Amino acid sequence: GNSVTQMEGPVTLSEEAFLTINCTYTATGYPSLFWYVQYPGEGLQLLLKATKADDKGSNKGFEATYRKETTSFHLEKGSVQVSDSAVYFCALTPSGSEKLVFGKGTKLTVNP
Amino acid sequence: GAGVSQTPSNKVTEKGKYVELRCDPISGHTALYWYRQSLGQGPEFLIYFQGTGAADDSGLPNDRFFAVRPEGSVSTLKIQRTERGDSAVYLCASSPGPNLYEQYFGPGTRLTVT
Repeated sequence: GNSVTQMEGPVTLSEEAFLTINCTYTATGYPSLFWYVQYPGEGLQLLLKATKADDKGSNKGFEATYRKETTSFHLEKGSVQVSDSAVYFCALTPSGSEKLVFGKGTKLTVNP
Repeated sequence: GAGVSQTPSNKVTEKGKYVELRCDPISGHTALYWYRQSLGQGPEFLIYFQGTGAADDSGLPNDRFFAVRPEGSVSTLKIQRTERGDSAVYLCASSPGPNLYEQYFGPGTRLTVT
């Protein structure tokens, strides 16, 4: 079946630290991959996406590269800010489907 | 413009009762999705509408759950004979159409079954 595994949280970093949140997936065919973010008190919103192997999604200083050989889509940011504190969800859409399959989420707290 | 709205924001009901949860998608969005998020988990897909029809209802857990979208806009998720295990946040999302358009999520309805 289709599933997403992301690193357990919570993750606590100091401002300007480097961030990596690991995400691996299991899927048949060629899924599309996503990172969604939920800021405190707000709804889920798309952060970035990649639709085919070796694509890099990027937004707001965050990046993730679709690695088919390792079935991974790790989220990275070079220098986090306090405003990046949120819950981050890795997700996929299976080939031929419209639904999103989410990981459990990783809570990030950035301290000043 | 207005985003996806969901009502009520909170619903407390007794075990065995019937509940309806409403979703108003972004105007003009033809695709609408329902998800369920339990505490500490990611959202879990329930059903997807394209227009008025349910294009994929593979995520509905059992026949107590039903959803409609009669005019291709507002959708209602209906749960019969609620159980304590149905307690979760129910999320609605909409998108301009199929094929990898971004899904825009509403704030959710928190359902508590006592």
